[in-house]
Amino acid sequence: DARVTQTPRHKVTEMGQEVTMRCQPILGHNTVFWYRQTMMQGLELLAYFRNRAPLDDSGMPKDRFSAEMPDATLATLKIQPSEPRDSAVYFCASGTDKFTDTQYFGPGTRLTVL
Amino acid sequence: RKEVEQDPGPFNVPEGATVAFNCTYSNSASQSFFWYRQDCRKEPKLLMSVYSSGNEDGRFTAQLNRASQYISLLIRDSKLSDSATYLCVVTPTGGFKTIFGAGTRLFVKA
Repeated sequence: DARVTQTPRHKVTEMGQEVTMRCQPILGHNTVFWYRQTMMQGLELLAYFRNRAPLDDSGMPKDRFSAEMPDATLATLKIQPSEPRDSAVYFCASGTDKFTDTQYFGPGTRLTVL
Repeated sequence: RKEVEQDPGPFNVPEGATVAFNCTYSNSASQSFFWYRQDCRKEPKLLMSVYSSGNEDGRFTAQLNRASQYISLLIRDSKLSDSATYLCVVTPTGGFKTIFGAGTRLFVKA
């Protein structure tokens, strides 16, 4: 049963520290999405990639967030420096390049910035 | 106005009840529509896609009304296990910029 994996599952850090979240998409999927979920804002799309190329990262705070796909099996989301308002659950999802197809979500990284 | 709007609920219904959720979207050029389910502290999972002709999967029925720009989800014979948050999802034509609604919480009680 193919699944999207994310690490770490939980992260507690102090304000100002760098945070790196990793995602391994389902093998064969060529689109990868990063979402952030909070109680106040719900699920927000931060960035997405197709064939490892960033298509849209307009949902991401540019000054502190960066997303990359070093290879087809790894996507990363970095926050530097982190702030308490970044506390949220960050989900990675992957899918095919048919926008009518579903996205498969990973279990998420629960980030707390103190 | 939000691009995708849902009644946050919560909907509290007894087992066996029929419950319906609506979701409205603002972009008339939207192409793909889905309902996802999210359990507490879990990731969203696809419940069903929504087609123009409507579709049914067991106790669940989804419908799309393009003229009025809304989609609906009907759950018949509610089970305790249906308790979750139901997320309406819309994708624009030719794109991947998926937009999630804030979700509708459902509690099914014995």
